[in-house]
Amino acid sequence: EAQVTQNPRYLITVTGKKLTVTCSQNMNHEYMSWYRQDPGLGLRQIYYSMNVEVTDKGDVPEGYKVSRKEKRNFPLILESPSPNQTSLYFCASRPGRLGPTAYEQYFGPGTRLTVT
Amino acid sequence: DAKTTQPPSMDCAEGRAANLPCNHSTISGNEYVYWYRQIHSQGPQYIIHGLKNNETNEMASLIITEDRKSSTLILPHATLRDTAVYYCIVRVGNAGGTSYGKLTFGQGTILTVHP
Repeated sequence: EAQVTQNPRYLITVTGKKLTVTCSQNMNHEYMSWYRQDPGLGLRQIYYSMNVEVTDKGDVPEGYKVSRKEKRNFPLILESPSPNQTSLYFCASRPGRLGPTAYEQYFGPGTRLTVT
Repeated sequence: DAKTTQPPSMDCAEGRAANLPCNHSTISGNEYVYWYRQIHSQGPQYIIHGLKNNETNEMASLIITEDRKSSTLILPHATLRDTAVYYCIVRVGNAGGTSYGKLTFGQGTILTVHP
């Protein structure tokens, strides 16, 4: 089954304790991205990756890092989490080809992060 | 990208058709209309997209007016599991640049399907 998986699904942590949220897709997609969703603010893109070893900032990259060493995986790293990073996080992927199908994206189930 | 306007909420009886409108009066000729939905706190799910012709797939139908200034997503036989927030998004399908592939979700329409 084609899918995007995220782990963990729920995480409660404390300020400053480094954490990683994993994202994996089994569709051989070139493009992957991370979004956060907050009430009243909709989805905002954090980082995206066009392919292996190619990453770039989205709209809200501060406080986050990513890496893309393998095509299927795109982990999100919070080196020193703060309470304002409490949010619902989604990973998404799509094929890299140009055209209108670029917006047919597959989303993971979400990771609810609470930083105290 | 063109701005979209959707009603904040709608109700529908189970088994009936749900017709969700979207206004995009400033849409340009190379912009596509995309629909996604998000069931409570789950990941958004792509539904359908179109440019100017009506489109249909296994999930829904998309009707775009001739002037392309508005569209309607139709769920032909709504079920309780269709209760979700539905997002209408307009994007240029073939542009490049750093925003290419980025989805921007507005507030959407909360569709509630009643038994």
